[in-house]
Amino acid sequence: KQEVTQIPAALSVPEGENLVLNCSFTDSAIYNLQWFRQDPGKGLTSLLLIQSSQREQTSGRLNASLDKSSGRSTLYIAASQPGDSATYLCAVRRDNAGNMLTFGGGTRLMVKP
Amino acid sequence: GAGVSQSPSNKVTEKGKDVELRCDPISGHTALYWYRQSLGQGLEFLIYFQGNSAPDKSGLPSDRFSAERTGGSVSTLTIQRTQQEDSAVYLCASSSQRAYRTDTQYFGPGTRLTVL
Repeated sequence: KQEVTQIPAALSVPEGENLVLNCSFTDSAIYNLQWFRQDPGKGLTSLLLIQSSQREQTSGRLNASLDKSSGRSTLYIAASQPGDSATYLCAVRRDNAGNMLTFGGGTRLMVKP
Repeated sequence: GAGVSQSPSNKVTEKGKDVELRCDPISGHTALYWYRQSLGQGLEFLIYFQGNSAPDKSGLPSDRFSAERTGGSVSTLTIQRTQQEDSAVYLCASSSQRAYRTDTQYFGPGTRLTVL
């Protein structure tokens, strides 16, 4: 059974800092990995999707990397802003086993002005 | 265009009552997913629809839970004889499935269910 773990569970940083969120998964047979953002009381917004054959994806100040063989992904946020405060979730889609996503527990990020 | 919508946004019910949660996916999206987000449990998969059929129901926690999708569009998640442990946010997502490996799931705002 796939298990996804995110570390740290919570993180508080001052505005302007660069930061890294970590995600690990136990079964490397994945189709892709997605990073989502969830704001309080709202649904999930997809940030980046990395295919199993890719090493990284970038969007603006966000960069996500994937090391499938070691079962790890990182989300790098450059020059953090208070508006980045949210819960960040990573999710993996299993290889050839339907389309369900298995989510990590999330990292709750607070960026202080 | 409109995103995934869910109704109601909040539902408070008494233990033992039945509830229906509705999801309207993005127009044209053939795949639809239900997830549950419980305090302390994280996000867990419930059921997946491709068109009107559900090839993967593996996440439904008990036979009190059922879901259907009609016309390849709207889906309803029904919980019978609700229990307090059913309290959670129920999230719906849809995807286009045009590019199997690259499809992104788009999530609705969720329905917060509270069972008293």
